[in-house]
Amino acid sequence: AQTVTQSQPEMSVQEAETVTLSCTYDTSENNYYLFWYKQPPSRQMILVIRQEAYKQQNATENRFSVNFQKAAKSFSLKISDSQLGDTAMYFCAFMKPSAYSGNTPLVFGKGTRLSVIA
Amino acid sequence: GAVVSQHPSWVICKSGTSVKIECRSLDFQATTMFWYRQFPKQSLMLMATSNEGSKATYEQGVEKDKFLINHASLTLSTLTVTSAHPEDSSFYICSARPPGHPPSTEAFFGQGTRLTVV
Repeated sequence: AQTVTQSQPEMSVQEAETVTLSCTYDTSENNYYLFWYKQPPSRQMILVIRQEAYKQQNATENRFSVNFQKAAKSFSLKISDSQLGDTAMYFCAFMKPSAYSGNTPLVFGKGTRLSVIA
Repeated sequence: GAVVSQHPSWVICKSGTSVKIECRSLDFQATTMFWYRQFPKQSLMLMATSNEGSKATYEQGVEKDKFLINHASLTLSTLTVTSAHPEDSSFYICSARPPGHPPSTEAFFGQGTRLTVV
């Protein structure tokens, strides 16, 4: 079974600064997908960024980027120019691929609560 | 992006009664939907996989007779908490991914339902 570990329960960062959230995972699969989801106080889950394991290039989405180290099974999220609206719970998640990906669930880490301070 | 709508957003019920939570995919058909449970300040734990036209697949430790799942159409899955007890109080979230070729990897989440059993 796959496991996802987030070792930082809480973090804080000053507005406009950069912060990195850590995530490690364990799997015997060679191909899979990794995600970072954001859950703001509204509790609506929002996709921040995704990475396909067979792609060596790290994914980026505007101020958000990942450092994907497949051999180390590490998938950290870097948030640049942090904004107050980035304050949220951040969950790292793993998904196995299947012929029809609609039927494979996400496995979540325990989350990191990020506070952006003005 | 695709829209998944969950209803109600919050509900309070008395011990011993049953509560139904609806999860609808508004702009795509979902043969599979996922139900998660989230305790305060904790991660999302998969409860069950809802399959249209067939029985749900429950995770180990989840009582299928207590958490009844019905996926009667391609756009609607329901979770019924039967004979609710205070320990069933939690935040319940549904999720689905649009079909496609290649399969979609992005999961979309309902707004969640906060259940309080008194």
